[in-house]
Amino acid sequence: AQSVTQPDIHITVSEGASLELRCNYSYGATPYLFWYVQSPGQGLQLLLKYFSGDTLVQGIKGFEAEFKRSQSSFNLRKPSVHWSDAAEYFCAVGLVTSGTYKYIFGTGTRLKVLA
Amino acid sequence: DTEVTQTPKHLVMGMTNKKSLKCEQHMGHRAMYWYKQKAKKPPELMFVYSYEKLSINESVPSRFSPECPNSSLLNLHLHALQPEDSALYLCASSRDRAAHEQYFGPGTRLTVT
Repeated sequence: AQSVTQPDIHITVSEGASLELRCNYSYGATPYLFWYVQSPGQGLQLLLKYFSGDTLVQGIKGFEAEFKRSQSSFNLRKPSVHWSDAAEYFCAVGLVTSGTYKYIFGTGTRLKVLA
Repeated sequence: DTEVTQTPKHLVMGMTNKKSLKCEQHMGHRAMYWYKQKAKKPPELMFVYSYEKLSINESVPSRFSPECPNSSLLNLHLHALQPEDSALYLCASSRDRAAHEQYFGPGTRLTVT
């Protein structure tokens, strides 16, 4: 069955430190890949997406993600975290299953930023 | 403009009430979605509309009734809800139902008393 795994439920980093959030998927073909961020009580904001082509994609707010086919991964990175980055981060996979296009979300990673 | 708007922001309703949630987008998107999100969980898909027609109903109880009056508007009618229906209800839209990114609204925080 298709699935998206975010192995880290919580991550804490100091402001200014680098960040990497992990995402692995299980799907036979290369799916469409997304990262979203959600602040408390808010909707989801699209950070970046991967459909095809260059495996390193740039997003908003200084985020980037790298698609690695061999590892079925799409990890999110940021070189220097700001306190405002504290939020919940969801990896999502867009794929066609049973003739229907759907999102499958990971369980999320909650990021805490220490001043 | 990549904005999806939702009203109201907060809603408290009793189990015998009837209320509606509203979602609007003006991006020309032809697919719209309702999701339910419980605390500390990812969004769960409820309904998908494509070109104003309901295309997916993820076995949602009939006390939730979606409606798509036109390509910009999506409603979710609520009736006889249960306390366990309390959640953040998110609306999203995408260019169409093919493999495109979805844009989410800020959500309606629903509390059923």
